[in-house]
Amino acid sequence: QSVLTQPPSVSGAPGQRVTISCTGSSSNIGASYDVHWYQQLPGTAPKLLIYGNTNRPSGVPDRFSGSKSGTSASLAITGLQAEDEADYYCQSYDTSLSGLLFGGGTRLTVL
Amino acid sequence: QVLLQESGPGLVKPSQTLSLTCTVSGASMSSGTHYWSWIRQPAGKGLEWIGRIYTNENTKYNPSLKSRVTIFVDSSKNQFSLNLGSVTAADTAVYYCARLEVLSPRALYMDVWGKGTTVTVSS
Repeated sequence: QSVLTQPPSVSGAPGQRVTISCTGSSSNIGASYDVHWYQQLPGTAPKLLIYGNTNRPSGVPDRFSGSKSGTSASLAITGLQAEDEADYYCQSYDTSLSGLLFGGGTRLTVL
Repeated sequence: QVLLQESGPGLVKPSQTLSLTCTVSGASMSSGTHYWSWIRQPAGKGLEWIGRIYTNENTKYNPSLKSRVTIFVDSSKNQFSLNLGSVTAADTAVYYCARLEVLSPRALYMDVWGKGTTVTVSS
């Protein structure tokens, strides 16, 4: 099934650590395709946050980290800051679609 | 610095064709080092990949839109374009163009995005 499942929302207090999961299947993450993460601040275009499961583009703080295992991946944010409040999307490639696939997105609220 | 800018009509009538262009600056599309993509996002909803292009002979579309979508490139103008036919209100969304980086055959991601353009389908 060509779906990447993310929790609709997560929240945390400033300074805390939160994780966002991205669950796929044997046609995408489980087929050894990399997972990438995007941050979308309110009213703006998505921005690449993590690529190739664990890599941060230049300028992305090391508070953001990614991991992948089996058919799932996770984005972790440590030392939560108010400016991290945004929507986060995972993305991979799906063999059934023969194309790119996004997760449904997770809204992070900083309490 | 690579920049992408979408342009096109903000209002399209139902059953007509939505046409958008993405102008690339800071990089030459004719270098052949990247793919290029279109993505859309209905208000309050998630991202949907529309398709990607490498050359006009090398395109790939989301199966859910394939029958209505054409993406083509004009390297001489450093632009690529999207045509989406027979539109309905369900096609109302913010449309983004993006550069598709292919790090490896198993790692494809959008590393540069345009700011997006809102298209409303309404009579």
